[in-house]
Amino acid sequence: QVQLVESGGGLVKPGGSLRLSCAASGFTFSDYYMNWIRQAPGKGLEFVSYISSSGNTIYYADSVKGRFTISRDNAKNSVYLQMDSLRAEDTAVYYCARGYNYFDPWGQGTLVTVSS
Amino acid sequence: QSALTQPASVSGSPGQSITISCTGTSSDVGDYNYVSWYQQHPGKAPKLMIYDVSNRPSGVSNRFSGSKSGNTASLTISGLQAEDEADYYCISYRSSNIRVFGGGTKLTVL
Repeated sequence: QVQLVESGGGLVKPGGSLRLSCAASGFTFSDYYMNWIRQAPGKGLEFVSYISSSGNTIYYADSVKGRFTISRDNAKNSVYLQMDSLRAEDTAVYYCARGYNYFDPWGQGTLVTVSS
Repeated sequence: QSALTQPASVSGSPGQSITISCTGTSSDVGDYNYVSWYQQHPGKAPKLMIYDVSNRPSGVSNRFSGSKSGNTASLTISGLQAEDEADYYCISYRSSNIRVFGGGTKLTVL
């Protein structure tokens, strides 16, 4: 079945870096836009970034522009989020999700905690 | 502050119908039929319930329906059940390839 599995979350100090991964299965990965969406503890959803099926079109929310980098490897059916210069306000569960005009499915999420 | 405005909370009794609104602008909800709705239970990932304003994915109960009028989209849940208690989010396409989110609505089944 169609499935997305995130990994790479954890505890990191302010200013540090993390790389999140999202492994896809059950569909033709190279046909789809992929997205990263996050949710701070007790808060709503926030769009982070998307990447087109070929990787040629990329978008970042203003809150992460210049610090986060999205990429994909269609041969490995995976999308990545390199997060640098992390701040306390980046603490959240990070979800990857498939799609362009709507998001389906979503992964189970991976928790990123930025704290000293 | 979220780009799309949703009520913070709504409530209803079992068997009743409720509607959650999602108000945007003429640059997103009003101009594109790309509004989607998501249900999120505590500690779980969001689940797609409605896409392209009023389409239901396979497997989603027909008690869930979506509509749009002007700059406001709506999600209606009829025949409320205890399992519908969750947070609901709307998302819309906006010009220049942007996606905008609502702040979420907590549905309580009384």
